Formats: sequence, C-alpha cells, structure tokens
Amino acid sequence: SQQGEEDPQALSIQEGENATMNCSYKTSINNLQWYRQNSGRGLVHLILIRSNEREKHSGRLRVTLDTSKKSSSLLITASRAADTASYFCATDLNTNAGKSTFGDGTTLTVKP
Amino acid sequence: EPEVTQTPSHQVTQMGQEVILRCVPISNHLYFYWYRQILGQKVEFLVSFYNNEISEKSEIFDDQFSVERPDGSNFTLKIRSTKLEDSAMYFCASTRRQWPETQYFGPGTRLLVL
Repeated sequence: SQQGEEDPQALSIQEGENATMNCSYKTSINNLQWYRQNSGRGLVHLILIRSNEREKHSGRLRVTLDTSKKSSSLLITASRAADTASYFCATDLNTNAGKSTFGDGTTLTVKP
Repeated sequence: EPEVTQTPSHQVTQMGQEVILRCVPISNHLYFYWYRQILGQKVEFLVSFYNNEISEKSEIFDDQFSVERPDGSNFTLKIRSTKLEDSAMYFCASTRRQWPETQYFGPGTRLLVL
C-alpha cells in the first residue's frame, strides 16, 4: 500500500495568502514528517509530529494530524515567494530508526 | 550554523564501477541516514546507522550497497557495481538523538551511471 499521498499535486497562490497541503496515508504510523525541497536542492526537515499529537506549530507553519482519518495537513500562513518549493510528507511505521516512506509531494508556487 | 556536507556534488561513472559517496554529518550527531531520489520520483529511505552498525535498511539496500564510518567525521555510502538504475540524487542526513528527531540533510550527490 502507498503511504504519504499529498494533495493537491500543485498549488499556485499569491504572496501573502495561506497555503494548505494535505497528506493521507493508509496504515497506522508512529510519526509523520513534513519536508521542503527547493528545485534540484536538498531536503529541509520542517516539522515532525508524533502519532499522539494533534497539532504543532513552527513559525508560519502549522501541522495537524488526524489519526482517525489517517491524514495530516501543512498550513503555511502569509506565504512568501521564498516558500516556492515542493513539500513532502513522510511516515514512519513501527521503527525507531528513521525508516520513512515519502509521498510524491505538492509543488507550491508563490507568486510575488 | 553547522551543516551536513556531501562530496562530490556530481559524479559520473560507468556501469559496473564502484562509487563511494561521502558525507560529513554535523559533528555532535550520532545517527546517520542515506536516502536517494531518482529523477522525478519519490525520496526513498536507504539505510540508517548508529554506533557503527546499520539500524534499519530498506529493500533497495541490497548487497551492492554498504555504509561505513571510517573515522570520526565521515559517513560513506559505497555502491560496489553500479547499475544504470542507481542514477539518482543521494542525500545524507544526521540527527543528534535517536529517531524521531529533526534531521539535517546534506545538499546531495547527483550520481549518473552510464
């Protein structure tokens, strides 16, 4: 089964608007992470949320996790052109060694 | 700010050749990871490493792959006999504590197997 399917695949917004990306998964998880990847560049680990947590904040980022619906969302508030990137969710199953399964990602474009 | 570094940034090799990809994790980090991303595809976990042992590996990480921490600073990924399908971007990451923990990624090595 596939884990970590992001929705939408692509999102285009104006600077200053909020961006919401969703991630769904099929099996029970220990943790879920959100990452950012600028075009052709490395990954940046944004937020890790544990299965017993429902919401986490980091600056302009807000992540929610609904384990009953097997879904997570990433909200970027007051977006900036520099937020233009691909955003991935990744899930861990029953391991404590970082064996994560990544989704295809949402490509976010923030227009100045 | 400390960062993970990787060398080389690009490597071109012939099929069947051995390659070693190098990573220098953040100095006080103890847990190390390799991922790969084939062009246009998902990021895939390869292996995690702690205390000179593999903690976890994926199905991709077969006998052609090996990892090593040869000294106190480097963390290497060796592919013994490269195949065309090994062409990908390879990312190293490290964490200070055991997973789950914030990971710090290197910029990646783009490997092209001809």
